[in-house]
Amino acid sequence: QSALTQPASVSGSPGQSITISCTGTTSDVGSFNLVSWYQQHPDKAPKLIIFEVNKRPSGISDRFSGSKSGNTASLTISGLQIEDEADYYCSSYAGKTTFVFGIGTKVTVL
Amino acid sequence: QVRLVESGGGVFQPGTSVRLSCAGSGFAFNRFAIHWVRQAPGKGLEWVATISYDGSTKTYADSVKGRFSLSRERYNNALYLQMNRLRPDDTAVYYCARSPSAMVAFGGVFVAHFDYWGQGALVTVSS
Repeated sequence: QSALTQPASVSGSPGQSITISCTGTTSDVGSFNLVSWYQQHPDKAPKLIIFEVNKRPSGISDRFSGSKSGNTASLTISGLQIEDEADYYCSSYAGKTTFVFGIGTKVTVL
Repeated sequence: QVRLVESGGGVFQPGTSVRLSCAGSGFAFNRFAIHWVRQAPGKGLEWVATISYDGSTKTYADSVKGRFSLSRERYNNALYLQMNRLRPDDTAVYYCARSPSAMVAFGGVFVAHFDYWGQGALVTVSS
C-alpha cells in the first residue's frame, strides 16, 4: 500500500491551466478506473471534486477535469482562480476494498 | 444536508485505547458504507478502514490491522472505530467519510470514492 506519487507543488497565474499528475502501479491506478480527487483548504476537511477518473459531483465547476493513461491519472484545473489555492489529493481503489491516496500537491496561485 | 460528525478524540498515552464515533445525519446512515481516513499533522491523507452498510465487510490498512476494529450499531445509527495499542505514529486527525454506496464492491460493481466528509477528530498519542 505505497502512496501514489504526486508533485509536491504546482503553481500558476490566474486564468492559466495547471495539471497535477498521480502515478501509481498496475495494482491500483492501472487496474481500475476508480481514481478520485480531493481538494483540501487549510484546516478544512477534504472535498470530492472528481470521481471515477473524470466524473464531477454535482456543484463542482467544470474547470476541474480528470483523465488517466496507464498507471498515471491527471487532474487539470482550467481558468485558475484564487480560491483554487489548496492541497489536492488523488486516491485509487487498490483491490479487495482497500484504497491508496497520493502524497498530495500544493497548488499556489501566483 | 448530509453531515458527518466524529467524536472521541483527545490525548492518549502509547499502548492505551480509544474509541472514535461517527454520527451521520441528513441521510439514511445505515444504508451506506463508511470509511475512516486519517491525516497526521502536516502530512497527507491515509486510508485507514472501511465498513459496509451492514457491517458484514470490514477492511483495514496494513498499518492498523490487528489493532483497530470497526463496528456499527444499526439500531442507533452509530459507528465506531476502536483503536487499541496506540502508537505515537497514530497521531492524526481522523475523518469519517461516506461512500455513496452500501458496499464498495458488489456484483462486479465498484464504488470507490468518498463523497462526504466529517470535520475530523484529533487523536494525539504521546507520553
